[in-house]
Parts: sequence; structure tokens; C-alpha cells
Amino acid sequence: KAGVTQTPRYLIKTRGQQVTLSCSPISGHRSVSWYQQTPGQGLQFLFEYFSETQRNKGNFPGRFSGRQFSNSRSEMNVSTLELGDSALYLCASSPEGVYGYTFGSGTRLTVV
Amino acid sequence: SQQGEEDPQALSIQEGENATMNCSYKTSINNLQWYRQNSGRGLVHLILIRSNEREKHSGRLRVTLDTSKKSSSLLITASRAADTASYFCATDASGTASKLTFGTGTRLQVTL
Repeated sequence: KAGVTQTPRYLIKTRGQQVTLSCSPISGHRSVSWYQQTPGQGLQFLFEYFSETQRNKGNFPGRFSGRQFSNSRSEMNVSTLELGDSALYLCASSPEGVYGYTFGSGTRLTVV
Repeated sequence: SQQGEEDPQALSIQEGENATMNCSYKTSINNLQWYRQNSGRGLVHLILIRSNEREKHSGRLRVTLDTSKKSSSLLITASRAADTASYFCATDASGTASKLTFGTGTRLQVTL
């Protein structure tokens, strides 16, 4: 079966712009989580969506937002980009948001 | 901030040797998982151990958990060059199974 698909794979944006990243979970998975990975802070939880509702949220500013559609696909948006937002953004899906998360290959965002 | 600390930060061994990496965490957990990441790509789930388990095996992997010391170890036996990757432990607290807290990671290099 197809894995978790994240698009685009790479992205370069200018400081102050906004960006939208997309994640298509494994078919049948209703939970989608987002993580940010940087060399300095490591892997940090952003938020989790389950059946179109945000169920958990990490400690990130309001510039980071997300949503989930009825087909479980998810998007995350970062507004007013800062240099420190440069990171690998990983999406993970699971059937019920319990265990056995499957991660996508990530979107590498570079802010210049 | 990250809950888990892993050591060593980097480990270099020869093919056929065993690799052991350790993870310590700070708060009570429901479960602890280990993930592998190849060269800045997505994470691959390796094994999950519940808080009431002390040891678990999966193929060449052996995981131990000591909740009194808030620590876990991952042993990879008979390492192969293909095991070269970064390894992360991840914990979830009661009621927040979808919100994983990752350790800092151990970078394993297996040489021929």
C-alpha cells in the first residue's frame, strides 16, 4: 500500500512569506501529526489532527497552523516566515492516533 | 524542549559487531518507541515497549525499559552497513499517545 506522501519535497521561501505543506496519509488512517526537525531543537511535535479536528498541539507560535480535510489529507501553514523556521517538516499518520505511526519523507523548508 | 537524552551521540562500529544505544527520559510514560532515520529522511518505526514491559525483541533488535531509572536501551546485534542511520527514542505520556517526545538521537555508523 502507498505510504505517507508529503509535497513538496523541497521548498525555498523568503523571510516574511507564508508557506503551505501538504500531507496525504495512508489510506484509512484518520490521525495525522506534524513534527519539525532542526539541528538545534531536534524533533518537536507541532500538532495532531483526527477526523478533521485538532486533538493535540505543541508549543509553537500561532504562525504555525494546520487543518485536515474529510479525506484525512492534511496541510500545515506557516505565515510570516522567519529564518529559524528552516527545518525538515515531517508528517506521520496512524489509524486511530494511537501507535504505529508511519512517517513521510518530509518537506525540507529553507527560509532565506 | 526534548524530553529524552540519548547516548552516545555518535557510535562507530564494524559490521558484525553489536551496537547499544541508551535513552533517558524525564517524566512518567505510557510507552517508549524506537525509530530509525536515514540521512534526513522520514522516520521508520522499529519497536514499541509498553511501560509494564521490561524487555522486548524483534529480529536483531532488543529493547529494555527500566521505568524506575527512566531509561531504555536499544541493542542491535550483528550490525550491517545498512543499519547506518540515526536512532531516536520517543515517549508518550498518559492520554497523549499521538504527541511523541523524541530524544536527541544516536548517530550509528557501521563500516565494512
